[in-house]
Amino acid sequence: NAGVMQNPRHLVRRRGQEARLRCSPMKGHSHVYWYRQLPEEGLKFMVYLQKENIIDESGMPKERFSAEFPKEGPSILRIQQVVRGDSAAYFCASSPPFAGGTNEQFFGPGTRLTVL
Amino acid sequence: DAKTTQPTSMDCAEGRAANLPCNHSTISGNEYVYWYRQIHSQGPQYIIHGLKNNETNEMASLIITEDRKSSTLILPHATLRDTAVYYCIVRVGTSGTYKYIFGTGTRLKVLA
Repeated sequence: NAGVMQNPRHLVRRRGQEARLRCSPMKGHSHVYWYRQLPEEGLKFMVYLQKENIIDESGMPKERFSAEFPKEGPSILRIQQVVRGDSAAYFCASSPPFAGGTNEQFFGPGTRLTVL
Repeated sequence: DAKTTQPTSMDCAEGRAANLPCNHSTISGNEYVYWYRQIHSQGPQYIIHGLKNNETNEMASLIITEDRKSSTLILPHATLRDTAVYYCIVRVGTSGTYKYIFGTGTRLKVLA
């Protein structure tokens, strides 16, 4: 059973360009979470999605950032008109549907975004 | 808006027990405590979780105080490969809408 997959692993963009980060959850997992980690800091929650629905986007910046998890295909975190402050590691996690348990989240290897 | 407080760093001798404390004094009655670790800059790895009872698995033990305001993660026999940043996390939300609130983590260095 493959783990959570993220691509690309490293992404370099110039200021003003768009960044698209992809996340394929583990097989059977219908919940996806995105986190951002700045250097020497902990992970900060950004958004929580289920198939075709955004459940909680309280950690998403109000502008330039969007996320989706379509019925088919990976989840996408999209950053428009990137700025240097967007440089960070972006981690995706997935979990199975809740069944009364305490389903832990399984994390991917992350995408390291560098904005020049 | 972190709900946990951890020491910034700790050292532990190889083969000894590593005890990592965490304060979560504002935790609510139905909020679980999770522990993850991050080795180098890899994705965080699940270790253990608990609500109010002490828990043990093949990796670690979790001791939660009776008032649930703090907990301790115990690695019984630390090895060099346990060197990592350890995060104490509170899971908040309601059924079907949970999310993790990460703390700043403890950087554990296991010394040979």
